[in-house]
Amino acid sequence: SQQGEEDPQALSIQEGENATMNCSYKTSINNLQWYRQNSGRGLVHLILIRSNEREKHSGRLRVTLDTSKKSSSLLITASRAADTASYFCAHNAGGTSYGKLTFGQGTILTVHP
Amino acid sequence: GAVVSQHPSWVICKSGTSVKIECRSLDFQATTMFWYRQFPKQSLMLMATSNEGSKATYEQGVEKDKFLINHASLTLSTLTVTSAHPEDSSFYICSARRRHTGGAIYGYTFGSGTRLTVV
Repeated sequence: SQQGEEDPQALSIQEGENATMNCSYKTSINNLQWYRQNSGRGLVHLILIRSNEREKHSGRLRVTLDTSKKSSSLLITASRAADTASYFCAHNAGGTSYGKLTFGQGTILTVHP
Repeated sequence: GAVVSQHPSWVICKSGTSVKIECRSLDFQATTMFWYRQFPKQSLMLMATSNEGSKATYEQGVEKDKFLINHASLTLSTLTVTSAHPEDSSFYICSARRRHTGGAIYGYTFGSGTRLTVV
């Protein structure tokens, strides 16, 4: 069964705006990962943040992690129409770095040109 | 980078027939493969975990006799949907796990998915 909640479930913004997606989880984690999925395609790994990290950047992506609240956020700055996709957070089962991934429910992001 | 090739990308089959989906890791050895099912606008649901050379471990509620998984080599895993019915229509995605060189973190590379439609 899927664990974790993501909000919003759907987000619609204009090109150039920032998009923030949130993810919550229920168990202890070793790391938390964010993935992107274009419609009808597989998942692409975006960024991984370890449990001892609080913030991480990669290009226009910024991820934060609050282990005390068991939550993470993904910020996409200066969004582009090409950022339109579904975004999922995921973590390994059992607090390991190698267990099966459990995915959040996902956020469908639509960026209007 | 690591690539997982999944075929076919889409398939339409008649009810009662079987369909085989292949996932190959092209430039690395995948000792473990995961198979997921995804319904429209929903998240990925793990169906089973397969380790090379051993039987797959199925998640609760997944029929092992209906979804046959074979992981006979370090680069190939297959999912066969047997006696397919319209309710099996879905998007199936595989994922191969690999260890990052010199690190304890494992990476997961996903195939591009297979859209199965049973008519």
